[in-house]
Amino acid sequence: DADVTQTPRNRITKTGKRIMLECSQTKGHDRMYWYRQDPGLGLRLIYYSFDVKDINKGEISDGYSVSRQAQAKFSLSLESAIPNQTALYFCATSAGQGADTQYFGPGTRLTVL
Amino acid sequence: GEDVEQSLFLSVREGDSSVINCTYTDSSSTYLYWYKQEPGAGLQLLTYIFSNMDMKQDQRLTVLLNKKDKHLSLRIADTQTGDSAIYFCAESDASGGSYIPTFGRGTSLIVHP
Repeated sequence: DADVTQTPRNRITKTGKRIMLECSQTKGHDRMYWYRQDPGLGLRLIYYSFDVKDINKGEISDGYSVSRQAQAKFSLSLESAIPNQTALYFCATSAGQGADTQYFGPGTRLTVL
Repeated sequence: GEDVEQSLFLSVREGDSSVINCTYTDSSSTYLYWYKQEPGAGLQLLTYIFSNMDMKQDQRLTVLLNKKDKHLSLRIADTQTGDSAIYFCAESDASGGSYIPTFGRGTSLIVHP
């Protein structure tokens, strides 16, 4: 089984709808992250959490919110989706030790019409 | 903020060596990473190097770090079609204990017969 899972894998929605993307991990890591990937722009950090009670904004948090329900779960919400939020979204985890390398989920492809 | 730059595309012939280059601006970089993203998948760590090292070799992969010029490269020997992917350079700064990486935009490696 995958260590970092994301649901849904694909989602098409309409402008103005509320959307939640979910991430679960079995790696036992404290740190979790949400990124979005756009062609030619690489990965940009949306939010990150270093433990259950810790939530921090990343580079592009406007229009997004997150919830850390448990050590293993970190969800990303788009309160009112807009077309320029169409992107590939990745969840990642890290242990917070050593080189603190990140482990990525398979991604959620979101299309906002 | 800190910046990581890499060229967007590299095309090589199967069996040749590939060299993917990256430059960064953070003088306090602690770790530098190479991640690989295959089509339809999340990023996967290939290797990383601590900033006090000049070189790291792992089977077909060689990482070279020129800290003075803030230049990182990834050499893939005997490149195969299975190496076709997007390669992301990233750096992290240990100051404050965060280690949150800054990613480049990714280099698409195309391997042709």
